[in-house]
Amino acid sequence: GEDVEQSLFLSVREGDSSVINCTYTDSSSTYLYWYKQEPGAGLQLLTYIFSNMDMKQDQRLTVLLNKKDKHLSLRIADTQTGDSAIYFCAEMGGSSYKLIFGSGTRLLVRP
Amino acid sequence: NAGVTQTPKFRILKIGQSMTLQCAQDMNHNYMYWYRQDPGMGLKLIYYSVGAGITDKGEVPNGYNVSRSTTEDFPLRLELAAPSQTSVYFCASSAGFGPGEQYFGPGTRLTVT
Repeated sequence: GEDVEQSLFLSVREGDSSVINCTYTDSSSTYLYWYKQEPGAGLQLLTYIFSNMDMKQDQRLTVLLNKKDKHLSLRIADTQTGDSAIYFCAEMGGSSYKLIFGSGTRLLVRP
Repeated sequence: NAGVTQTPKFRILKIGQSMTLQCAQDMNHNYMYWYRQDPGMGLKLIYYSVGAGITDKGEVPNGYNVSRSTTEDFPLRLELAAPSQTSVYFCASSAGFGPGEQYFGPGTRLTVT
């Protein structure tokens, strides 16, 4: 079945870059998403990438997709303390309305 | 424009009790979803709806029921609550399939004891 995996935890120093990684199994995935969840809040869409793209940049965020290895990454440049949150990778299959989520990566930004 | 609203924010249920989690959206979205998020885990889809009168099961539908009588509302019913249903429940809606963003509500934290 479909599965999305992420590392659980990442700690970086303020001002450094953060890279959060994700792997997925569904080769028919059409869209891949990154969501951010702050404590006690719902999920906020950060960015998404269509499966025929290799890279997408949006201000401080860069998404890289390696479709061959089914590997997705989110790079946050100049990480700030406000970026501390849980980041979820999600994929949407080719014939489904459903998002399959990873278990989330908790990003801690140290001053 | 309130987006997606959920009530209540918190609830404690005793084993065997029933309740309905309310979800409403004012964006005229056809697609609505219910997820649960267990501690340290990602979201799991419980039920979804592609329009009024149409619902379908997600990954973890057992113990839940839904209805969609209007475009705006998508209530989730828990019958005979069990401790395994202790979770945070999120409702979401989207305009359509594809890159249309799923807008999430703030969540309902449910504890069953």
